[in-house]
Amino acid sequence: ILNVEQSPQSLHVQEGDSTNFTCSFPSSNFYALHWYRWETAKSPEALFVMTLNGDEKKKGRISATLNTKEGYSYLYIKGSQPEDSATYLCAPYNNNDMRFGAGTRLTVKP
Amino acid sequence: KAGVTQTPRYLIKTRGQQVTLSCSPISGHRSVSWYQQTPGQGLQFLFEYFSETQRNKGNFPGRFSGRQFSNSRSEMNVSTLELGDSALYLCASSANVDPDVLTFGAGSRLTVL
Repeated sequence: ILNVEQSPQSLHVQEGDSTNFTCSFPSSNFYALHWYRWETAKSPEALFVMTLNGDEKKKGRISATLNTKEGYSYLYIKGSQPEDSATYLCAPYNNNDMRFGAGTRLTVKP
Repeated sequence: KAGVTQTPRYLIKTRGQQVTLSCSPISGHRSVSWYQQTPGQGLQFLFEYFSETQRNKGNFPGRFSGRQFSNSRSEMNVSTLELGDSALYLCASSANVDPDVLTFGAGSRLTVL
């Protein structure tokens, strides 16, 4: 069973702040890493799928990096807006098995 | 293009009953995964089906079962319901097996009294 850790568990920032959070996962037999964004009362939506060590992906103000050798990924949000408030989930895929972390709950105050 | 459709959206059952939840994936998607979310917990993986075969199973008791039909629609069944089974059950579909992006349905919220 994959041991996926996300930190911090929750985060409160002011509008305009930049923020980042971490996803840690086993580096052995790594295949892919997914990031999802889950807003309250909605379904999780895919942000990124990353497969290569050193990969960096960007979508608007949100970007992510991947280190498969040490088993971590960072998600960055630049200039947070209230609409960024959501839970951000990572899910590594190892050994034909994909499991979600508990998520980082981000609240952006206007 | 229709999204992932889950039915029913809400249901209330009593302890000891059984429940069947349905998931219709996006047309052309062959992989369906099921997840449980309870308050304070992340998404807990239940099982994954691809082309009618169960590929993976999470750490849930045998009361939780599932299947996938030839049209890729999937059902999950929970027998002998317990209070702790109250949760949001999400299904997600993808075109192929990982690392394809998952598209989630709106979920079925089960309350067990």
